Amino acid sequence: GAGVSQTPSNKVTEKGKYVELRCDPISGHTALYWYRQSLGQGPEFLIYFQGTGAADDSGLPNDRFFAVRPEGSVSTLKIQRTERGDSAVYLCASSLTSGTTGELFFGEGSRLTVL
Amino acid sequence: AQSVAQPEDQVNVAEGNPLTVKCTYSVSGNPYLFWYVQYPNRGLQFLLKYITGDNLVKGSYGFEAEFNKSQTSFHLKKPSALVSDSALYFCAVRGTGRRALTFGSGTRLQVQP
Repeated sequence: GAGVSQTPSNKVTEKGKYVELRCDPISGHTALYWYRQSLGQGPEFLIYFQGTGAADDSGLPNDRFFAVRPEGSVSTLKIQRTERGDSAVYLCASSLTSGTTGELFFGEGSRLTVL
Repeated sequence: AQSVAQPEDQVNVAEGNPLTVKCTYSVSGNPYLFWYVQYPNRGLQFLLKYITGDNLVKGSYGFEAEFNKSQTSFHLKKPSALVSDSALYFCAVRGTGRRALTFGSGTRLQVQP
C-alpha cells in the first residue's frame, strides 16, 4: 500500500479482555515500530522490529503487552487482560532503513478504549 | 538516555507573521533530530530532519529548523505562518546506536487569521 495501514481504527473493549491491533507497513520497509500516545502527550516508544525479530522491546510497560512480526511484514500488537489505563492511541510506524538517520512513517493509529 | 523538551504547550501567532516552536534535547553521542506534525485524528507526518552538515535544515510546507549544538536546541521556524499550519508539532531525537525515536510532549500551534 501507499502508506502504513492500521486496523482497527477504533476498538472499544471491556476491562480484562484480550485485544489485537494490526499494522501493515509500507512495502519494502524492514524496520517497524509501535508507539502509544495518550491524550495530551507525545508518542511513547513500545517496541522496534528489524525484520522478524524484536530488536528493542524496552518500552513495553509489562508482560501483558506482546508484539509479533512473523514474516517480517505485518505486525500484531497483543494486549492481555486489558486495563482502563491501556486506553490510548496505538501508533505503528515503518522505516526503510534500519540505521539511525531514517525518518519514520506513521499510520493513523488504532484508538483503544477500555471500559 | 535520550530526551526532548518542548517548553511551550501552545504557541499563538498571527497569519503572515514568523513562527518559532522550541525544542531542546539531551542525547549520548551525535543527535539525529526530527520534526513531525499531527493534524486532528491523523497520524504523524514527517516535516524535516537534521543528520549532519548545514545547521539550517529545510523541510516540507516552507518549514525550516536550526540545529544549535552548544545550546542543544533544534527550533522549528517558518517565515510567514498560514492558518492551515495550525496543528500539533512534535520534536524527536535519536542518539547514536539507538533505533527508537524519543518524542517531546508536543506544542500546539494556533495561527489566527
